Amino acid sequence: KAGVTQTPRYLIKTRGQQVTLSCSPISGHRSVSWYQQTPGQGLQFLFEYFSETQRNKGNFPGRFSGRQFSNSRSEMNVSTLELGDSALYLCASSLDGANYEQYFGPGTRLTVT
Amino acid sequence: EDQVTQSPEALRLQEGESSSLNCSYTVSGLRGLFWYRQDPGKGPEFLFTLYSAGEEKEKERLKATLTKKESFLHITAPKPEDSATYLCAVLEEKLTFGTGTRLTIIP
Repeated sequence: KAGVTQTPRYLIKTRGQQVTLSCSPISGHRSVSWYQQTPGQGLQFLFEYFSETQRNKGNFPGRFSGRQFSNSRSEMNVSTLELGDSALYLCASSLDGANYEQYFGPGTRLTVT
Repeated sequence: EDQVTQSPEALRLQEGESSSLNCSYTVSGLRGLFWYRQDPGKGPEFLFTLYSAGEEKEKERLKATLTKKESFLHITAPKPEDSATYLCAVLEEKLTFGTGTRLTIIP
């Protein structure tokens, strides 16, 4: 069974630009969560989608947004990039909303210059 | 606000030297506690879920236990390949992660 895939794996952007990251969950998984991981803050929850609806949102500014498609694939978007947005962005999928055994992808390493 | 604290931040052990990692939490309504292992440059790998105080789960050299205020990850006779960062997370409305314990096993 294929795991969670994320594209791209590495990305370099300039301050002020916007970026879209993609996540394909494990087949059959309907819930997708996004996290930001930095050395100083650890893993910070961004948002969770279940059946195309955002169910939970973390404490991030509105520049961070996401969506989920009918096939459970998800994208997150960051607009007006700041230097502090440089991080590893991780996507995790789980079978359904009640089961939080989340399986993580390899992440997208975003560098903002 | 939910708090998840892991200790120690880093731990170096000789191969075969057993020890425990701690995860303490303050949540009003715990729905589950999760342990993950993360290797450098990779996403976290799911290890265990614990749902109620007194519950224990085992996998190879790892055993996770849960009380009302904390969880322990016991590692018995570790090998160098057990070197990784171990993360715990608590679920209330959402998953809140601790900052992890970086474990190094010296051959």
